[in-house]
Amino acid sequence: NAGVTQTPKFRVLKTGQSMTLLCAQDMNHEYMYWYRQDPGMGLRLIHYSVGEGTTAKGEVPDGYNVSRLKKQNFLLGLESAAPSQTSVYFCASSYHPQAGVETQYFGPGTRLLVL
Amino acid sequence: GQSLEQPSEVTAVEGAIVQINCTYQTSGFYGLSWYQQHDGGAPTFLSYNGLDGLEETGRFSSFLSRSDSYGYLLLQELQMKDSASYFCAVEVGGSTLGRLYFGRGTQLTVWP
Repeated sequence: NAGVTQTPKFRVLKTGQSMTLLCAQDMNHEYMYWYRQDPGMGLRLIHYSVGEGTTAKGEVPDGYNVSRLKKQNFLLGLESAAPSQTSVYFCASSYHPQAGVETQYFGPGTRLLVL
Repeated sequence: GQSLEQPSEVTAVEGAIVQINCTYQTSGFYGLSWYQQHDGGAPTFLSYNGLDGLEETGRFSSFLSRSDSYGYLLLQELQMKDSASYFCAVEVGGSTLGRLYFGRGTQLTVWP
């Protein structure tokens, strides 16, 4: 049981390049989330998904797109990277909140540097 | 919108007790969670309060007062390994149930 995994762990991009971050979970969770964490800013929600084939915007969605084609995978895309997107990106997953379990399980993070 | 306030830093010595406060302003409040994050690591879940009162899990306890929009995390018998950042997060009900809004975190340093 690997929990939540993220690929890659670290990446350097040039401004304007594109990339996709992959998140996978093996806990059969309904909900998945993408956060970014910047120094002194806590965790801010980018996009989230309440089930396979569904996505919704979070607090800071601009410049990012997501897809949830399979229940276990949640992809975060940067179409044209900007230095402001330099951050640590965390993926998380959780059971359906109405199941009464409130825990979000986080992946190890992806450190992205945009030059 | 949602806003949460927690102290940016707290220091204490091994064996001591420390309390990290969190005040929030939100509409549709559903519950308050606490997460721990060590440097370079991922956040991990510590505690959740959906109702007023105290929840105890080993050395850690969390308290919620919905009427005061206030909660705290209490860490007892501090150990060096408790040095980490601690985040409070509110969950809002309705169509956004499951979403968490995080505070900016409190850096706890435990001295020997």
